[in-house]
Amino acid sequence: GESVGLHLPTLSVQEGDNSIINCAYSNSASDYFIWYKQESGKGPQFIIDIRSNMDKRQGQRVTVLLNKTVKHLSLQIAATQPGDSAVYFCAETGGGSNYKLTFGKGTLLTVNP
Amino acid sequence: ETGVTQSPTHLIKTRGQQVTLRCSSQSGHNTVSWYQQALGQGPQFIFQYYREEENGRGNFPPRFSGLQFPNYSSELNVNALELDDSALYLCASSWDRVGGYTFGSGTRLTVV
Repeated sequence: GESVGLHLPTLSVQEGDNSIINCAYSNSASDYFIWYKQESGKGPQFIIDIRSNMDKRQGQRVTVLLNKTVKHLSLQIAATQPGDSAVYFCAETGGGSNYKLTFGKGTLLTVNP
Repeated sequence: ETGVTQSPTHLIKTRGQQVTLRCSSQSGHNTVSWYQQALGQGPQFIFQYYREEENGRGNFPPRFSGLQFPNYSSELNVNALELDDSALYLCASSWDRVGGYTFGSGTRLTVV
């Protein structure tokens, strides 16, 4: 079936560095993508989203890039801080199943002081 | 504006028992979705309720059932619990079925 996957299960960076988390999706009908941050013991927290008619979207310290040609999504975090340490999930929806989010397995980001 | 609240936060049940989990949606949201998150995995869609009707369902057996009430709060019921049902159950609310999902902190269910 269709799925969303991540290239790297873990990512360790130094405080102040930029982080890049990647995600591949396989459903060509996907038209809405969301990045979530999940801290231990909490539910997923919305970070940023992007629709398929866009290639790039920026938020505060975060940027999402969408490459529809290769079905790839990335999350860039600038000046990574210890508080950014968490599991990051990409999720997609769209096509005939736009009532549900399909999540990948997640990337654990660890920020070292 | 209140967020999504779930109860209880933790629960331990015995195999074969039944459980009911509860969710209060965020103010102004009329749609509730339920997800199951196994340890180390991403959330998996169980079903969605919109205006008190099931609006979509994932690959879960019929012993997973739900309700949505007129105030848009929701319940997830699981019958004949199995050990593999041990997971974090997440509720997410949104306005009008798509996008803008706000998640609760979840209910950690342990089946022994």
